[in-house]
This record gives sequence, C-alpha cells and structure tokens, in this order.
Amino acid sequence: GENVEQHPSTLSVQEGDSAVIKCTYSDSASNYFPWYKQELGKGPQLIIDIRSNVGEKKDQRIAVTLNKTAKHFSLHITETQPEDSAVYFCAAGGQNNNDMRFGAGTRLTVKP
Amino acid sequence: EPEVTQTPSHQVTQMGQEVILRCVPISNHLYFYWYRQILGQKVEFLVSFYNNEISEKSEIFDDQFSVERPDGSNFTLKIRSTKLEDSAMYFCASSDLPSETGELFFGEGSRLTVL
Repeated sequence: GENVEQHPSTLSVQEGDSAVIKCTYSDSASNYFPWYKQELGKGPQLIIDIRSNVGEKKDQRIAVTLNKTAKHFSLHITETQPEDSAVYFCAAGGQNNNDMRFGAGTRLTVKP
Repeated sequence: EPEVTQTPSHQVTQMGQEVILRCVPISNHLYFYWYRQILGQKVEFLVSFYNNEISEKSEIFDDQFSVERPDGSNFTLKIRSTKLEDSAMYFCASSDLPSETGELFFGEGSRLTVL
C-alpha cells in the first residue's frame, strides 16, 4: 500500500518569509496529491491539489510541485502571514479516495 | 457553502461502552468516509461507504466498528465496545466524484475520550 512521508514535522518562519513542506510517496500508481490545512479544533480543509499530469500548480501565495520520477511533491507558501499558522497534511492517492494516505503533518508557525 | 457536520464534538465514555458518532455529509455527495486521528499523529483511513455498503475498510476497522446510513442523510460510526486506544479525533468526510479521486470535504471532527 501507499506510504507517505512528510518533513519537517515543525516549521517556524517569520512573517513574510517563504515556507516549504516536502512529502515523498511510495506507490508509483498514485496520481492525486492534495494538501490539507488543519486549524486548531477543525477538520482538514483542502487548500490545493495536483494530479500526476501536471508538474506545478499555483494559487495565489501557495504552490505545489510534483516530481513523479522521484516520487516527491512539495508545498510552497510565499509571503507567509500569521493566519497561515496551522498543521498542513500532504496526501497521496490512486484510483479512488479509498487509497489516499496522509503524511504525518507539519505544524507551521508564522511569527509576526 | 455546504459543509459536513458532525456530532457530538466531544464524547467521554467508559471503556467497554458503545459509542455512536454521527455525521451529515454534504447533500449531493455519494461517497462517505471515516478517518481517525490519534492526538499528534497522522490522519488514518478507517472506512469508505458508497451505495449503502462499505466499499473499503482498513485494518483498523475491525469487528468492533460498524457504519450505517440509516435515513439518507446521516452517516454513523459505531464502536461496539470501546477500548482506551480508541481515544482519538474521528473525522467524517464526503465527496461527489464517482470514478476518480476528488476533493474530500471533512467535518470538524468528534473527539472521543475513553476512560
């Protein structure tokens, strides 16, 4: 089955700096890679996703890159703001959502 | 914006007791899921449900667990005889796409504490 590794487990940046979170996956059949943001006391919310026919996707201050050969994908947040502080989870999935597996999460703290 | 709602937000129970966690998925969604998150750990898949039956379950989802869609709107997770290690946050999720991986919409979770 799929195994997703996520690094770092914690990340602290100054407001305005960039933050990068990296994930690797094991199953070459995986073709869907979402990122979720989980704020304290809430459920994970999808913030961006990428499918395996695309190498990079951007949505305002967030971007995701995918390297299928190396089986890794990354989340980039630019111009970080205190409200970006949360736990971020990557996930990798294949044919359907049943296959999707999550990384262990990265706690991002943006210091004002 | 439509959302997945879960009740209760927090339940405390004694070991060995039965617990039912309730979820109301987004109304036009067809696929329903339960995930578990032990404190500080990753979100783990428990079970998926489509067309009134379980489509897949993980090794965590043993005979103590069951799911049901009793009335066309609610989706419930029952734990028959809770154990200490069942203490976790339980998330319900739903999605609408039938044949490919689509966006999962998560509820805010039900925190279960087993004493």
